Amino acid sequence: GEDVEQSLFLSVREGDSSVINCTYTDSSSTYLYWYKQEPGAGLQLLTYIFSNMDMKQDQRLTVLLNKKDKHLSLRIADTQTGDSAIYFCAESSTGGYNKLIFGAGTRLAVHP
Amino acid sequence: GAGVSQSPSNKVTEKGKDVELRCDPISGHTALYWYRQSLGQGLEFLIYFQGNSAPDKSGLPSDRFSAERTGGSVSTLTIQRTQQEDSAVYLCASTRNHRGGDRDQETQYFGPGTRLLVL
Repeated sequence: GEDVEQSLFLSVREGDSSVINCTYTDSSSTYLYWYKQEPGAGLQLLTYIFSNMDMKQDQRLTVLLNKKDKHLSLRIADTQTGDSAIYFCAESSTGGYNKLIFGAGTRLAVHP
Repeated sequence: GAGVSQSPSNKVTEKGKDVELRCDPISGHTALYWYRQSLGQGLEFLIYFQGNSAPDKSGLPSDRFSAERTGGSVSTLTIQRTQQEDSAVYLCASTRNHRGGDRDQETQYFGPGTRLLVL
């Protein structure tokens, strides 16, 4: 079945780059997503990548997709304390609608 | 315009009671999704609505869970005879369209969630 896995915790120093990794199982997923969840808030879509791309850059965010290994990563350049949150990787399911399959989330802690 | 809203934001109930959780999607969004986020877990899909019909209820954990949507807008998730394992954050999302539209039409916008605690 469909499954998405992420490491649970990442700690970085302010100003460094953060790299959050994710693996997925459904090779037919059309889109892969990164969502951010801050304490007490809902999920905010950060970025997405189409499955026929291998890289997407959006300001401080870089998404890399290795479709052969079913590996997705999110790089945050110049990480700030405001980036501290839980980051969820998600794949869109097969079928006629956009049900998302989420990983358990990676908690990013940014320290001075 | 306004985003997805959910109410209540927090709900504490006793085991065995029924609860109703409400989701008000973005105006004009035809697709609506319910997810559950248990402590330390990712989001678990519960149910999907297209308009007022629910083509996929496969994620509902048991027959104590039901959901409806009326007027193609507001949705209510009902949990009967709540159990402690139902404690979680229940999140709702909406999209302008189902798959087949452009990427913006398929982007899911999430509400802030309802935090349910069953004692």
